[in-house]
Amino acid sequence: DTGVSQDPRHKITKRGQNVTFRCDPISEHNRLYWYRQTLGQGPEFLTYFQNEAQLEKSRLLSDRFSAERPKGSFSTLEIQRTEQGDSAMYLCASAYAGPPETQYFGPGTRLLVL
Amino acid sequence: LAKTTQPISMDSYEGQEVNITCSHNNIATNDYITWYQQFPSQGPRFIIQGYKTKVTNEVASLFIPADRKSSTLSLPRVSLSDTAVYYCLVGGIPMNRDDKIIFGKGTRLHILP
Repeated sequence: DTGVSQDPRHKITKRGQNVTFRCDPISEHNRLYWYRQTLGQGPEFLTYFQNEAQLEKSRLLSDRFSAERPKGSFSTLEIQRTEQGDSAMYLCASAYAGPPETQYFGPGTRLLVL
Repeated sequence: LAKTTQPISMDSYEGQEVNITCSHNNIATNDYITWYQQFPSQGPRFIIQGYKTKVTNEVASLFIPADRKSSTLSLPRVSLSDTAVYYCLVGGIPMNRDDKIIFGKGTRLHILP
């Protein structure tokens, strides 16, 4: 399968713990996006990379959140000192820079903070 | 990034054609229109993308009028498996920190037997 993959698919953690998620994009794509989605809402943009450069960060992305894409391939999203409000589905998408640009999404990582 | 407006929900019956309209009055000249489908606990799935007039693929058609201020996703002969949330997205990456990709709440399509 050559689609976007995310790991883990589910994560349960206790408040205050750190968690890290991984995204492997479609190999030829140079853009990688992170989104957060809560129940009943559409995906909310968090940040995106073009190759290894992080070009935009949403105001939603507090200082507890950090993302990397060290070699322009896979990316990690880390949440430090998790809070219950961080419980959500974290989605990764990749695309080849356009226009037009079509984002292809991974299956997501569902985080539950107890 | 252009703001979009879609109906919150729609119901239809199996075998019917379903049309979901999205309004995007402030679409920019170089913006494309993209539609995604999302099932519960899955990531959004690309359906179709277009710039103007009509685009058709194996699953849907996209109609875009000349002024491009709206677009209509057409799903022919829907089945129960088409029950999902459909998102209209206009444009792409945010241009500055005050802008962000807005999927909105999408349209919840419920297909009845």
